[in-house]
Amino acid sequence: QITLKESGPTLVKPTQTLTLTCTFSGFSLSTSGVGVGWIRQPPGKALEWLALIYWDDDKRYSPSLKSRLTITKDTSKNQVVLTMTNMDPVDTATYYCAHRPPTGGKAFDIWGQGTMVTVSS
Amino acid sequence: DIQMTQSPSTLSASVGDRVTITCRASQSISSWLAWYQQKPGKAPKLLIYKASSLESGVPSRFSGSGSGTEFTLTISSLQPDDFATYYCQQYNSYSPGLWTFGQGTKVEIK
Repeated sequence: QITLKESGPTLVKPTQTLTLTCTFSGFSLSTSGVGVGWIRQPPGKALEWLALIYWDDDKRYSPSLKSRLTITKDTSKNQVVLTMTNMDPVDTATYYCAHRPPTGGKAFDIWGQGTMVTVSS
Repeated sequence: DIQMTQSPSTLSASVGDRVTITCRASQSISSWLAWYQQKPGKAPKLLIYKASSLESGVPSRFSGSGSGTEFTLTISSLQPDDFATYYCQQYNSYSPGLWTFGQGTKVEIK
């Protein structure tokens, strides 16, 4: 059974750097084709894809946020970390991580529960 | 960047209605399109992938079609559990491998 869980601060100040951790179980990020992505959703608004890291350390970022995002993986710990610099109140959102399976041509089939991050001084 | 446009933004329907939601891509994405259902306070749930493949465990009243730039999600007979917000997502993993969500369609009770 695949599970993912996001963790990190619930409140950050403007200009600070946000660090979120996705801890997962039931799969390995060393398996060919597997990916883990980050998606966010401001209150009452749509989903926004942020970043994706693959088993081979290939990384993709949303063009609009690329300069502020870094995604990394720690295969031994079953974790994926997303950092976002220069946080602003508009970055207030629920942040989700999700599993991209290695086969079948699917997108994100399993999601974490999400973690709410508020940006405020 | 590939933009995804969903229509309508809101849809009012009754139990038993046939419902269709449209998603348009700003350029061809072949069949690399997924549909998700999201209920308030919950994570999205994958319904359809590769435009028309039904995710395991998803009721057969949900179906997807289309390719290239035009896609549809159809609910053949709306059930009480289907009132939710639906998102399309393009996930062309090849060049440049950047993914995008649509802005969502909220299905409300009429």
